[in-house]
Amino acid sequence: DAGVTQSPTHLIKTRGQQVTLRCSPKSGHDTVSWYQQALGQGPQFIFQYYEEEERQRGNFPDRFSGHQFPNYSSELNVNALLLGDSALYLCASSLGLRPSYEQYFGPGTRLTVT
Amino acid sequence: DAKTTQPNSMESNEEEPVHLPCNHSTISGTDYIHWYRQLPSQGPEYVIHGLTSNVNNRMASLAIAEDRKSSTLILHRATLRDAAVYYCILRHNAGGTSYGKLTFGQGTILTVHP
Repeated sequence: DAGVTQSPTHLIKTRGQQVTLRCSPKSGHDTVSWYQQALGQGPQFIFQYYEEEERQRGNFPDRFSGHQFPNYSSELNVNALLLGDSALYLCASSLGLRPSYEQYFGPGTRLTVT
Repeated sequence: DAKTTQPNSMESNEEEPVHLPCNHSTISGTDYIHWYRQLPSQGPEYVIHGLTSNVNNRMASLAIAEDRKSSTLILHRATLRDAAVYYCILRHNAGGTSYGKLTFGQGTILTVHP
C-alpha cells in the first residue's frame, strides 16, 4: 500500500519564478493538506483540499495556490518566488475532515530559492 | 486555536520509559489531543490521539489528565529510532469537522542515548 508520495524531491528555483509541487495521497484518502516547514521550525499549515475545493487556508499570501484533481491528487503552486519561500513543503492526506482522523505525511519537497 | 506548551528538549536512555508532557490549559471540551513525531529528514508521523480517556497503541500510550488540561505521551521502552521531535497538537472539533488543520508548535526534541 503506497503511502503519500511527493514530487519532485528537491528543487532549485530563482527569485521571481513560479513552481509547482505535486502530491499523491495515501490509497483511499480523499483529503490533502499542504504545509511549509522552514529550517528548525514546526510545519505551518498552508491550505487543505477536499472534494476538489479549498476548505481551509492558513496565513499565506495569494501567491500560494493549489488544486485537487478528481483522483484526489493535488498540486501546490507558488508564484513570484521569494528567498523566504525556501523550505520543506509537506503534503498530508487523510480520510475526510473529522478531527479524530490522523494525517499521513509525505517525505516532502525541498525547495531552494536563490 | 488552543495552545500547547511542551519542554524544548528531553533525554532518555535506550530501553527506558519516556514520559513527554504537554500542557493545554485552554483546551475546549471537544478538542482532540494528537501527537505526531518527526524523525530527522522525514515528514511528521502520526503517533496517537485521544479525547478524554487514556489510549494505547502499538507505538505509545497517551495519558490524559482528568481535567484535560495536560497530557503525557509515554514511550514504554525507548529505542534509538525514537529520537525525534515530538509535537502535541490540539484539533478543534467544530460541529464534527475541523477541516483538518494541524497547528504545530516547536515540539520537544527527544534524544535517546545508547
